[in-house]
Amino acid sequence: ETGVTQTPRHLVMGMTNKKSLKCEQHLGHNAMYWYKQSAKKPLELMFVYNFKEQTENNSVPSRFSPECPNSSHLFLHLHTLQPEDSALYLCASSQDSNYGYTFGSGTRLTVV
Amino acid sequence: AQSVSQHNHHVILSEAASLELGCNYSYGGTVNLFWYVQYPGQHLQLLLKYFSGDPLVKGIKGFEAEFIKSKFSFNLRKPSVQWSDTAEYFCAVRGSQGNLIFGKGTKLSVKP
Repeated sequence: ETGVTQTPRHLVMGMTNKKSLKCEQHLGHNAMYWYKQSAKKPLELMFVYNFKEQTENNSVPSRFSPECPNSSHLFLHLHTLQPEDSALYLCASSQDSNYGYTFGSGTRLTVV
Repeated sequence: AQSVSQHNHHVILSEAASLELGCNYSYGGTVNLFWYVQYPGQHLQLLLKYFSGDPLVKGIKGFEAEFIKSKFSFNLRKPSVQWSDTAEYFCAVRGSQGNLIFGKGTKLSVKP
């Protein structure tokens, strides 16, 4: 366990479904991140939240919708996804910019 | 644009061989540099980081990295690899927005 918990671990969804990914950290960190990890590509930063405020949206399609109700929880709401959205979605948290990230184990998403 | 290049996609070594994984970054400001490791089926873990001071940084599990400012490089090294070092290794630099920018990763396979 890393202190950053992601659920579910695996998710298969159709293109018309709506689902949500959940991330939870109890490390007292004040920043949380969503990354997308695809084969043979660098980790792609999707969203950044600092103190519950979204500070970056890295040109992510609107079919991905983040939510950060408090500094310990982060969600990624998914709807009408495409097969190319299949990937490992990683959540991370950090104390501040002087530290590295603590990553969760990820959610393996398959869009069919 | 800020970026990180990892030139080797897949490295195959025998046990006890020496390892060096290349990492070059493009960022002209004050650099914070990181190496992360992802063992099969596990989460990303921090191996080591450089913020300032001694350019030779020692991390966990016998890994070290050297920051060479003139070459914009932060190569990862280990004198003698073990089968358990089989994993994917990611170099990252903190960008101007404070977020980590990752390379594509290098897969290391160590033959027993």
